[in-house]
Amino acid sequence: NAGVMQNPRHLVRRRGQEARLRCSPMKGHSHVYWYRQLPEEGLKFMVYLQKENIIDESGMPKERFSAEFPKEGPSILRIQQVVRGDSAAYFCASSAAQGPQHFGDGTRLSIL
Amino acid sequence: DAKTTQPPSMDCAEGRAANLPCNHSTISGNEYVYWYRQIHSQGPQYIIHGLKNNETNEMASLIITEDRKSSTLILPHATLRDTAVYYCIVRDPNTGNQFYFGTGTSLTVIP
Repeated sequence: NAGVMQNPRHLVRRRGQEARLRCSPMKGHSHVYWYRQLPEEGLKFMVYLQKENIIDESGMPKERFSAEFPKEGPSILRIQQVVRGDSAAYFCASSAAQGPQHFGDGTRLSIL
Repeated sequence: DAKTTQPPSMDCAEGRAANLPCNHSTISGNEYVYWYRQIHSQGPQYIIHGLKNNETNEMASLIITEDRKSSTLILPHATLRDTAVYYCIVRDPNTGNQFYFGTGTSLTVIP
């Protein structure tokens, strides 16, 4: 999965803390997507962003979750006041226009 | 986006061709067929995609039936490193923002 960079690879937070997950898309890609994967399940879409705009956030919980993709810098998925149920692998993908999505290796979030 | 149906698991002998089927009987005219795979603890890896013609790249071949209701991903000479979960996804790139990942097919390549 060379190209889409996610960090950190592993993140541990206590309940009530904030988690920030970063994603740098492949060079030349201006479309970013975030997915969440619970153990033994498939990936579930959360949000789709283009530079400075949220295009589709239909899969993202209404509370505590937010995403941004600023003009400069990586895309950020932010989870406030984390709870145990937020423990999952979070994957970012990027694409160029209507091309296929290319995925990073994810951030494993663990909530204590 | 249309849903897909895949067998939950398959085995394949190392060195033989792996043929992974996918049913997408409700696919619409503008929807492409995409294949990804996910090796344990890694992100999904793009393999191939197509609309109606058969496609081939360095990783695999994609055979789409004439009525487009089903397709087959072919790994011509499976290796142990091809052991993964394979996802077949249909999506209209002009209107679909997300990929719907079902449960996929867990392929085990046997030495």
